[in-house]
Amino acid sequence: DIQMTQSPSTLSASVGDRVTITCRASQSLSTWLAWYQQKPGEAPKLLIHKASTLQSGVPSRFSGSGSGTEFTLTISSLQPDDFATYYCQQYNSLFSFGPGTKVDIK
Amino acid sequence: QLQLQESGPGLVKPSETLSLTCTVSGGSVSSRSYYWGWIRQPPGKGLEWIGRIYYSGSTYYNPSLKSRVTMSVDTSKNQFSLKLSSVTAADTAIYYCASRPADVTSTFDTWGQGTLVTVSS
Repeated sequence: DIQMTQSPSTLSASVGDRVTITCRASQSLSTWLAWYQQKPGEAPKLLIHKASTLQSGVPSRFSGSGSGTEFTLTISSLQPDDFATYYCQQYNSLFSFGPGTKVDIK
Repeated sequence: QLQLQESGPGLVKPSETLSLTCTVSGGSVSSRSYYWGWIRQPPGKGLEWIGRIYYSGSTYYNPSLKSRVTMSVDTSKNQFSLKLSSVTAADTAIYYCASRPADVTSTFDTWGQGTLVTVSS
């Protein structure tokens, strides 16, 4: 099984801040890594797949990078709609999710 | 546009079998263009992949749940289903159905709204 970790677990930030979330895998994923956003009471929403490919309709302030075992999700300028929990997910070998990073208001 | 909707009992007794159905609209469950999957989320916790099925009936399950999980496709009703046997309180969760393009460069990109299943006597 591939284990996923994320840091930080919680991040307090203000509107306009640049935010970076890190995801690490227990073995190499190449670039088979996705990022989801989830708001309370809603299903997860796919933001990025293949480590850096932005899903259609997702604002360009979101970006992803990395390969192998270390990946990052960056929000260039945090907007009010971005306060949510973010999950990474590997799909190199079956599927597994990171524990999540909650982005809340500072 | 593909849309998914989960349905099934919201309360299941311990040791019984949880059964859920996902109805597909805006597309066909017998399409070669998608894989169909189930993911769950215990209240206040993270996401856990349960399994996925293809139109052909080919399945992959989470190894930690494999002995208790069965997924199937019903092309006549344009639905796919999940059965989880011998449930305990640890199986209490929001259960989501989702689709993944068969172009495997991507992952689950369309999700149902989720349905809460509580395991309790």
